[in-house]
Amino acid sequence: NAGVTQTPKFQVLKTGQSMTLQCAQDMNHEYMSWYRQDPGMGLRLIHYSVGAGITDQGEVPNGYNVSRSTTEDFPLRLLSAAPSQTSVYFCASSSRTGATEAFFGQGTRLTVV
Amino acid sequence: AQKVTQAQTEISVVEKEDVTLDCVYETRDTTYYLFWYKQPPSGELVFLIRRNSFDEQNEISGRYSWNFQKSTSSFNFTITASQVVDSAVYFCALSEEYSTLTFGKGTMLLVSP
Repeated sequence: NAGVTQTPKFQVLKTGQSMTLQCAQDMNHEYMSWYRQDPGMGLRLIHYSVGAGITDQGEVPNGYNVSRSTTEDFPLRLLSAAPSQTSVYFCASSSRTGATEAFFGQGTRLTVV
Repeated sequence: AQKVTQAQTEISVVEKEDVTLDCVYETRDTTYYLFWYKQPPSGELVFLIRRNSFDEQNEISGRYSWNFQKSTSSFNFTITASQVVDSAVYFCALSEEYSTLTFGKGTMLLVSP
């Protein structure tokens, strides 16, 4: 059972570089989301999607872009990396917003220097 | 707007002690869902429990128990006879119907032998 797969697990970027964090799920879940985890801040929602072709902003969307062309994939793009984006990023999926538990990927630890 | 408060930033106990992790939530909806997740030192997020707003029954699962009280907007988590393997960060989370998950900032539990 793959569940939610995130790649890469670790990444170091230079300020101003761009990159895409990949997220794929094999549970046919409609709902997917991206969170960032910073010390003492818990998990904060960046962007989410309730289905293919539908995305929306969360609490901390600035500097990030998403798209959802298929049910399975929900990539997160950093357009021009900044040190403030150093964080651990988690992708999650669930069968329905609100009512069901979210399944999380293993996380991507990103460092921007 | 929904909000989750975990006032305890860090708790240290000795093995076999009982420990309670507090969670207080705010929501204006009558239908909502509460969750607990565990994040061990390895970093992944592990789902522990989901409770909907219409079910105030307490839940027990082995050494874990949860106390849901709508009157005080609390959803507390108790570990009985704690073990070193319980050392982790524990997150309480809330979602309203068809909305995204809002997490508390987490409580780090350290269980020493």
